[in-house]
Amino acid sequence: LAKTTQPISMDSYEGQEVNITCSHNNIATNDYITWYQQFPSQGPRFIIQGYKTKVTNEVASLFIPADRKSSTLSLPRVSLSDTAVYYCLVGDSGAGSYQLTFGKGTKLSVIP
Amino acid sequence: DAGVTQSPTHLIKTRGQHVTLRCSPISGHKSVSWYQQVLGQGPQFIFQYYEKEERGRGNFPDRFSARQFPNYSSELNVNALLLGDSALYLCASRLQGRPYEQYFGPGTRLTVT
Repeated sequence: LAKTTQPISMDSYEGQEVNITCSHNNIATNDYITWYQQFPSQGPRFIIQGYKTKVTNEVASLFIPADRKSSTLSLPRVSLSDTAVYYCLVGDSGAGSYQLTFGKGTKLSVIP
Repeated sequence: DAGVTQSPTHLIKTRGQHVTLRCSPISGHKSVSWYQQVLGQGPQFIFQYYEKEERGRGNFPDRFSARQFPNYSSELNVNALLLGDSALYLCASRLQGRPYEQYFGPGTRLTVT
């Protein structure tokens, strides 16, 4: 299992860009990096997924360096509604089960 | 399109009782997974089913069981409930070929007293 490490919490003002970095030193060759967002009392929501370099969608960007031992989720111009817990996951395809292994995540608080 | 649906939304049970939680995946999704989330923690994997067969099991006791039906809906059963089983139970479905992009339902909040 590739373990991930990310900050427990972060604060940001509205309108700023937020970067959340995740470390995954023992990521396997075939593993993908996936980020989820979770609001209180709701299920997690898939944000973005990548394997290497940079991936961008309408919600966020994901930066992955060449060694793939870390990744950075970038949220442009956050608003109050971006206050949530963000989870970094590394794909675990052991025995074909493709279970998702969540850590404690990063609690992002957006301040007016 | 309808997302993943779960029922019931909330449930209160007494220690020692049995509970059944239900999940309907997104149309076209044949894989369903169950997760348990206690307060302050990330979701923990319980089971994965694909085409009615169990494909993965997390580190949970045998009191936890699940099954998937021909229409790909699923049930999670928990016997002999303990206070520590109080949690948000999440169901997720996904498309074949996209193992890490899972779609979660709103969850069932189980309280054991």
